[in-house]
Amino acid sequence: QKEVEQNSGPLSVPEGAIASLNCTYSDRGSQSFFWYRQYSGKSPELIMFIYSNGDKEDGRFTAQLNKASQYVSLLIRDSQPSDSATYLCAVNMGSSGTASKLTFGTGTRLQVTL
Amino acid sequence: GAVVSQHPSWVICKSGTSVKIECRSLDFQATTMFWYRQFPKQSLMLMATSNEGSKATYEQGVEKDKFLINHASLTLSTLTVTSAHPEDSSFYICSAAGDLETQYFGPGTRLLVL
Repeated sequence: QKEVEQNSGPLSVPEGAIASLNCTYSDRGSQSFFWYRQYSGKSPELIMFIYSNGDKEDGRFTAQLNKASQYVSLLIRDSQPSDSATYLCAVNMGSSGTASKLTFGTGTRLQVTL
Repeated sequence: GAVVSQHPSWVICKSGTSVKIECRSLDFQATTMFWYRQFPKQSLMLMATSNEGSKATYEQGVEKDKFLINHASLTLSTLTVTSAHPEDSSFYICSAAGDLETQYFGPGTRLLVL
């Protein structure tokens, strides 16, 4: 069964620190990877996506992909209390470029403390 | 850009009635829409995938006669929960994907069946 795994947390980091969220996936042929943030009681919102090995930066967020290790991570720099949420890793295990269904991890709950 | 709306945001109904939930992509054409359900403190569960003008593809264990999906246009998909029962009470979330594969989520609809 194709799976996406995340540590459920909570991951607690102090304000201003770097939060590192990790995700592994089972399907070596996966092509595209997404990070979503979900606040309690709300629907997921897209943070960023990554297709190629290496790092992709967007503001305070950096996604890192290592296809050989089947590993994708999200770094949040200068963490703020407003970053406290559940972060969902999602993997498209279908053909790249098509809107195939995503396989979601169970999410990591991040708590940014003052 | 990439805004997805859902209506209604909240619905309370009596057991045995049917409820229709609308999902609209407001600023892009959604070739594919997805319907998810999320129970409290649980992960997203994909219910079905729909493409404009064709029948929806349901995930294993999801009753297609109970959860009717119509994707009549490139900006509108509807989910009808027929003969709703208390166990159908949940948070229903749609997502939409256009030419690119990234899924954008609607704000969700909370259904409470009494």
